[in-house]
Amino acid sequence: KQEVTQIPAALSVPEGENLVLNCSFTDSAIYNLQWFRQDPGKGLTSLLLIQSSQREQTSGRLNASLDKSSGRSTLYIAASQPGDSATYLCAAEDGSEKLVFGKGTKLTVNP
Amino acid sequence: EADIYQTPRYLVIGTGKKITLECSQTMGHDKMYWYQQDPGMELHLIHYSYGVNSTEKGDLSSESTVSRIRTEHFPLTLESARPSHTSQYLCASSAKWVLRDYVYGYTFGSGTRLTVV
Repeated sequence: KQEVTQIPAALSVPEGENLVLNCSFTDSAIYNLQWFRQDPGKGLTSLLLIQSSQREQTSGRLNASLDKSSGRSTLYIAASQPGDSATYLCAAEDGSEKLVFGKGTKLTVNP
Repeated sequence: EADIYQTPRYLVIGTGKKITLECSQTMGHDKMYWYQQDPGMELHLIHYSYGVNSTEKGDLSSESTVSRIRTEHFPLTLESARPSHTSQYLCASSAKWVLRDYVYGYTFGSGTRLTVV
């Protein structure tokens, strides 16, 4: 059974800092790995999707990497802004389009 | 702008009441899902559907039921609400292919926060 772990559970950084969020998964037979953002009281917003054949994906200040052999993914946020404050969720998919989520990392970017 | 809609956003209801959480999507996605999320915890899949008249239970056992009579509509029902059902319920839909184009999309609604007193 797939298990997804995210560390740290919470992170507080000053504005402008670069940061890395970590995600690990137990079953390397994943179809893709997704990163979502969740704002308080709201649903999830898809940030980046990395297919199993890919190593990384980039969108603006965000870069996500995937290492299936080690069961790890990282989300790199460059030049963080207060508007980046949210909970970031990592989810693994096995090809059935059902997602297994981690508990998330709550990010606070202080002005 | 949301393409998947959940109502109500918030619901406080007494024990024993029957409730239905609504979820509709306008993207024509075949697959739809219900996830449950307790505060500070991960999302767990409780129900999913791969198309009309297709429903399956997810990884987390739930006393709720679902139906899929129309592609765009995937309501969740609790016949008799209990305080243990207090949680946030998130609906989602997904699609990978449109004709021959790979258009992977996984879209979540804003959620329904349910409190049973």
